[in-house]
Amino acid sequence: AQTVTQSQPEMSVQEAETVTLSCTYDTSESDYYLFWYKQPPSRQMILVIRQEAYKQQNATENRFSVNFQKAAKSFSLKISDSQLGDAAMYFCAYRSPILFGNEKLTFGTGTRLTIIP
Amino acid sequence: NAGVTQTPKFRILKIGQSMTLQCTQDMNHNYMYWYRQDPGMGLKLIYYSVGAGITDKGEVPNGYNVSRSTTEDFPLRLELAAPSQTSVYFCASSYRPGQGPTNEKLFFGSGTQLSVL
Repeated sequence: AQTVTQSQPEMSVQEAETVTLSCTYDTSESDYYLFWYKQPPSRQMILVIRQEAYKQQNATENRFSVNFQKAAKSFSLKISDSQLGDAAMYFCAYRSPILFGNEKLTFGTGTRLTIIP
Repeated sequence: NAGVTQTPKFRILKIGQSMTLQCTQDMNHNYMYWYRQDPGMGLKLIYYSVGAGITDKGEVPNGYNVSRSTTEDFPLRLELAAPSQTSVYFCASSYRPGQGPTNEKLFFGSGTQLSVL
């Protein structure tokens, strides 16, 4: 079974600075998908960025980018120019490429990010 | 556009009571999911549906039932509520074409906070 580990329960960053959230995972599969979801105080889960394991290029979405190290099974999220609206709980998630019978996303325990004005 | 709507937002149940958590999406998504989020943990899949009339168990289905009579609605039924079911429940939906990859974006509702006392 796959596992996802987020070793930083809490992180803080000064507004406009850059912060990196860590995520490692364990799997025996060679192809899979990785996601970062954001959960603000409103509770709604919002997709931040996703990465296909077969792609060597790191995904980027505006101020958000990932550092995907497949051999190390590491998938960190970098937030540049941090803004107050980035304050939230961030979850790393893993998904198998198997289409049926394995539908779940496996989530880490989350990292609470605080933005210091 | 409403997206994924969950009702109620909060509920307190007594042990042994039953209730239905409602979930509706207006995006014509074929896949729908129910997750639960326990304090300090990531989300765990309870049940999912790949289309009207088709449902299947996720990781933690015991104590719950679902039905999917329409594309839009995916209610979650709790029978004989127990304190272990105290959690935040999230409904999510996504669109996946017939044999498409599993990297599609999930749209989440804002959750139902349930306490069983």
